[in-house]
Amino acid sequence: ELKVEQNPLFLSMQEGKNYTIYCNYSTTSDRLYWYRQDPGKSLESLFVLLSNGAVKQEGRLMASLDTKARLSTLHITAAVHDLSATYFCAVESRNYGGSQGNLIFGKGTKLSVKP
Amino acid sequence: DAMVIQNPRYQVTQFGKPVTLSCSQTLNHNVMYWYQQKSSQAPKLLFHYYDKDFNNEADTPDNFQSRRPNTSFCFLDIRSPGLGDAAMYLCATSRDHLGHGYVVETQYFGPGTRLLVL
Repeated sequence: ELKVEQNPLFLSMQEGKNYTIYCNYSTTSDRLYWYRQDPGKSLESLFVLLSNGAVKQEGRLMASLDTKARLSTLHITAAVHDLSATYFCAVESRNYGGSQGNLIFGKGTKLSVKP
Repeated sequence: DAMVIQNPRYQVTQFGKPVTLSCSQTLNHNVMYWYQQKSSQAPKLLFHYYDKDFNNEADTPDNFQSRRPNTSFCFLDIRSPGLGDAAMYLCATSRDHLGHGYVVETQYFGPGTRLLVL
């Protein structure tokens, strides 16, 4: 059974600081997704990481994937208040005879950026 | 703009009274999903349609059913809602453009329907 663990689950940081959110998963997968969710809102796709060593950056966020270590990181550079949200990583599991993957989500990291 | 639309955005129902949530998409994606998300928890997949093929998660209660009459629409039926079914219900779509059965693109989520059971 595929398990996805994020840490930390809660993160309070000051504006201007850097920090990293970690996402570990338990079985082989080469597709990992990062989503952002604002309170009471739906999920917004941030990054799709499709291969070992993949690195993607958008603004102050950078995501990477190490499939050998089964680890993805979401790095926040010089945080600003607008980044306050819950961030989920999700890993695609392979079911139904090896085809058609479903997403298994981590529990989410609730990020609060304070002035 | 192409998008995933969910109606209603808020639904209040009574304990045991059937309710239907709807999802439509203009993305022409062949895969549609329904997730349940309770407060401060991760989304949990209930089932999904790959084209017309219905795939139910093993731990999805029988109380939850789904219909997909065409590519654009998908419905979630809760036959007898209980208090524990109060949650945000998220519809998502994705496209398997390689045709190999792999979902290689991200899932696009609708705005969600928040269900309250009284």
